[in-house]
Amino acid sequence: AQKVTQAQTEISVVEKEDVTLDCVYETRDTTYYLFWYKQPPSGELVFLIRRNSFDEQNEISGRYSWNFQKSTSSFNFTITASQVVDSAVYFCALSGSGGYQKVTFGIGTKLQVIP
Amino acid sequence: EAQVTQNPRYLITVTGKKLTVTCSQNMNHEYMSWYRQDPGLGLRQIYYSMNVEVTDKGDVPEGYKVSRKEKRNFPLILESPSPNQTSLYFCASSLGSAPHGGLFFGSGTQLSVL
Repeated sequence: AQKVTQAQTEISVVEKEDVTLDCVYETRDTTYYLFWYKQPPSGELVFLIRRNSFDEQNEISGRYSWNFQKSTSSFNFTITASQVVDSAVYFCALSGSGGYQKVTFGIGTKLQVIP
Repeated sequence: EAQVTQNPRYLITVTGKKLTVTCSQNMNHEYMSWYRQDPGLGLRQIYYSMNVEVTDKGDVPEGYKVSRKEKRNFPLILESPSPNQTSLYFCASSLGSAPHGGLFFGSGTQLSVL
């Protein structure tokens, strides 16, 4: 079985602070995919990034960066210089390979950025 | 515009009255799936479909049915809804027969079963 743990249920930061959202996963697959999704207060779910298990290169997209470490089974998400528009619930997710097409989500981390 | 369309957006019903939530995508995606979102539990997968006529159970399939007769449509059927199925439901699709490319979600359906 696969599992995703987001231990931080709620985080509050003041605008312009950096914040890291943690994600720890468990899987028996050797090939798998990790994702981050954003759910702003309006309720829609937005895909942010995908990483496969063979690509441990960190990724940066503007103020967002992702740190994938297989050694610690973690896929953490950092927002630099946070803004009020970053306030949302962020979900980490995992899907396996081969014929196993399930997607497992963490329970989400609610980020509040205070002006 | 590429999108996943769910209907209705809000639905209030009573226990035992069959209902269908529709989902349609216009991106020619092969993979489609349904999730329910509950406070403290995150998103849990109900059913998924890798292609037409190919469906399989997710983590919480009890009380739900699906069908995939056409590539673009993936309706969620509650034959006899119960109050514990009150939840926020999302449909999603992904390019290819797997979710590996990332999921595109519909706007959600808030269901209340009285």
